[in-house]
Amino acid sequence: EIVLTQSPATLSLSPGERATLSCRASQSVTSYVAWYQQKPGQSPRLLIYDASTRATGIPARFSGSGSGTDFTLTISSLEPEDFAVYYCHHRNAWTFGQGTKVEI
Amino acid sequence: QLQLQESGPGLVKPSETLSLTCTVSGASIITTTYWWGWIRQSPGKGLEYIGAILYSGNTYYNPSLKSRVTMSVDTSNNHFSLRLTSVTAADTAVYYCARRGYADHEFDYWGQGALVTVSS
Repeated sequence: EIVLTQSPATLSLSPGERATLSCRASQSVTSYVAWYQQKPGQSPRLLIYDASTRATGIPARFSGSGSGTDFTLTISSLEPEDFAVYYCHHRNAWTFGQGTKVEI
Repeated sequence: QLQLQESGPGLVKPSETLSLTCTVSGASIITTTYWWGWIRQSPGKGLEYIGAILYSGNTYYNPSLKSRVTMSVDTSNNHFSLRLTSVTAADTAVYYCARRGYADHEFDYWGQGALVTVSS
């Protein structure tokens, strides 16, 4: 079973700063990694799939990278609406990563 | 614009069966390009993928829930459903339905979620 571990649990940053979120798989996986953003009271929203492909309508400040066991979501310059919880997921995993909260 | 909407009882008694339906609007459920899935979210277990169904009725389920889960699809009414038997308090969660890409496996559209509480 693939387990996804995200770090850090919480990232405290200011608008305009760069955010780097990590997702580590318990074993080497294919690049079918997706990233989701969730705000309080809302459903998760797809940001990135196939490790690095932005979903429709997602701003260019969001980018994904990685391979093997290590994957990264980068937000190049935080906007006020980007403060949320972010989850990673792999196609073969039955659970998502535990999430990284990006807070002001 | 594709929309998914969960519906069903918000309160289920322990040992009984949880039943939810996801109504899809804005697109046909009859497609070989997408699976139709269920995900739940609870404070204790985070986001957990329950399984998915294709319009043809092909399914795959989370092994940890497989003995209690049944999914079905109704192409005439463009909806799909989830049944989870013998529920306990551990099944209390927000249940989401979502569309999953057949090729890339991403969940690109989600319902708003339905809170289901298991309690007597």
